[in-house]
Amino acid sequence: NAGVTQTPKFQVLKTGQSMTLQCAQDMNHEYMSWYRQDPGMGLRLIHYSVGAGITDQGEVPNGYNVSRSTTEDFPLRLLSAAPSQTSVYFCASSAGGAQGYTFGSGTRLTVV
Amino acid sequence: AQSVAQPEDQVNVAEGNPLTVKCTYSVSGNPYLFWYVQYPNRGLQFLLKYITGDNLVKGSYGFEAEFNKSQTSFHLKKPSALVSDSALYFCAALSSNTGKLIFGQGTTLQVKP
Repeated sequence: NAGVTQTPKFQVLKTGQSMTLQCAQDMNHEYMSWYRQDPGMGLRLIHYSVGAGITDQGEVPNGYNVSRSTTEDFPLRLLSAAPSQTSVYFCASSAGGAQGYTFGSGTRLTVV
Repeated sequence: AQSVAQPEDQVNVAEGNPLTVKCTYSVSGNPYLFWYVQYPNRGLQFLLKYITGDNLVKGSYGFEAEFNKSQTSFHLKKPSALVSDSALYFCAALSSNTGKLIFGQGTTLQVKP
């Protein structure tokens, strides 16, 4: 039981490049979320999903796209990377209700 | 807008002393409340949660938290701090309506020998 798996762990991008951060969970959780963590700002919700085929925006969605074609996977796409997107990104999943979320180990992204 | 606030950027305590890390929330309905801990260069680890019932909940590593509905607070406590408790602590509220988990900005706990 791997939990929530994020890849890659580290990435350096040039401004304007695109990339996809991968997130997969093997717990059959319906709820999945993406957060970014910046010093002094806690974790801010980018996008979240309450099930396959259903996604919605969080607090800071601009510059990011998501899709949820399967229950297991919830990739986060950066269409045109900007230095302001330099951050640590966390994916999380939950069975819903009061279960709370399980977090992946994070992806550290630097945009130069 | 729904929010979670942690008013202290850093809390300093001496080893063996009690500690409190404060959290207040502004989330509609009856949210579920959580505390997570993050050690350097690691992901978030679940500490404890409040769903309903007793206002004092107990969690991992000797931590507990006190829920106060009238003050919309959920403060994290520990009777006797350890140096190994030094980490970044996050309070979070889960809206039962939307399923969104909203975080506070985090509080760094520094426990000195």
